[in-house]
Amino acid sequence: NAGVTQTPKFRVLKTGQSMTLLCAQDMNHEYMYWYRQDPGMGLRLIHYSVGEGTTAKGEVPDGYNVSRLKKQNFLLGLESAAPSQTSVYFCASADPRGFSNQPQHFGDGTRLSIL
Amino acid sequence: KQEVTQIPAALSVPEGENLVLNCSFTDSAIYNLQWFRQDPGKGLTSLLLIQSSQREQTSGRLNASLDKSSGRSTLYIAASQPGDSATYLCAVHGSSNTGKLIFGQGTTLQVKP
Repeated sequence: NAGVTQTPKFRVLKTGQSMTLLCAQDMNHEYMYWYRQDPGMGLRLIHYSVGEGTTAKGEVPDGYNVSRLKKQNFLLGLESAAPSQTSVYFCASADPRGFSNQPQHFGDGTRLSIL
Repeated sequence: KQEVTQIPAALSVPEGENLVLNCSFTDSAIYNLQWFRQDPGKGLTSLLLIQSSQREQTSGRLNASLDKSSGRSTLYIAASQPGDSATYLCAVHGSSNTGKLIFGQGTTLQVKP
């Protein structure tokens, strides 16, 4: 099983450019999440989705948009990239029926640098 | 608002030593608490998940405990090995039905041969 796959793995952007990060999961999970990880700050939730066609804001949503047009995919968009968005981005998925005893599944991350 | 803190931020020990990593959280209303391992430049690997009703979970040389009343969890690693060197992250799944995780800052462990 592929689990959670993130595309691309690395990317360098210039300030003001736009891009979309793709997350795909093959576990038929209902819930999906985007986190960012910065040095010394752990992971922080950007946006999440509790089902196809739904999205909601997390802890640090400013400057990002998301879409969940298909159950297996969760897209994270940067409309106008800023240096403060340089980070490592992680996607995760979960089955809400297993919340009490099943961990979230994480992708390998996308390392994004904004110059 | 739930806050999760991990102490220490970094730890260096000689091979073979037993060690304890600490995690504290401010709101005891949780679904579960999860410990993850992260190798440099890699994603997160789930190590142990302790349900709200449980006191501890064990996997091989790892043992995680949970004390909700005091807002604390510990990850005990027995007979540490150089291959245990990594960053260990604690995450709390709060009481909402959204599955959102609140992470600590992590403890970076180095086990010296």
